[in-house]
Amino acid sequence: DAGVIQSPRHEVTEMGQEVTLRCKPISGHNSLFWYRQTMMRGLELLIYFNNNVPIDDSGMPEDRFSAKMPNASFSTLKIQPSEPRDSAVYFCASKNGAGYQPQHFGDGTRLSIL
Amino acid sequence: GQQLNQSPQSMFIQEGEDVSMNCTSSSIFNTWLWYKQDPGEGPVLLIALYKAGELTSNGRLTAQFGITRKDSFLNISASIPSDVGIYFCAGQLHTGFQKLVFGTGTRLLVSP
Repeated sequence: DAGVIQSPRHEVTEMGQEVTLRCKPISGHNSLFWYRQTMMRGLELLIYFNNNVPIDDSGMPEDRFSAKMPNASFSTLKIQPSEPRDSAVYFCASKNGAGYQPQHFGDGTRLSIL
Repeated sequence: GQQLNQSPQSMFIQEGEDVSMNCTSSSIFNTWLWYKQDPGEGPVLLIALYKAGELTSNGRLTAQFGITRKDSFLNISASIPSDVGIYFCAGQLHTGFQKLVFGTGTRLLVSP
């Protein structure tokens, strides 16, 4: 079975540029999560969607970050304008919302802002 | 954000040794999960625990859900080089959107 698919796997761009990260959740999963991982702060939850609707975005660091889920099989996380401190690995995870199913993670996007 | 206390922070062991790591929290969780993260990859689910006192095995891995619901441990028996990676515990509540709270991670190195 296909897992959570993220693209691109690596992104290097200059400060001030717009960055768009993409995620395809596991088919049939109706909950989607975006995380950021850094050495200093570990795994941080940025935003959570349920049935394509953003439920909790309290982890989004600032207005430069935005996320969308236009349909059940696709989500984007956008940073505009990007800054060097946004450099991190960004993970998408999905789960079946029924019951207490665990989250399954993609392989992440390693983002470097120069 | 909140993180769970996970120990040890790192371990360097010889192949064939057993490994034990644990996770503690000041809060109660309804589910405990253990993930492994290899370099350049995302966390992969190893074991999920749903009931206080539950002991569950997955091959050479055994994990337990603490009776107080505030802790969990993971044991790896007869370690092999491919066990190298970072192991994360995560607590999950059954309320709200079942947010995961992650441990700080245990980095495991295995010498052949």
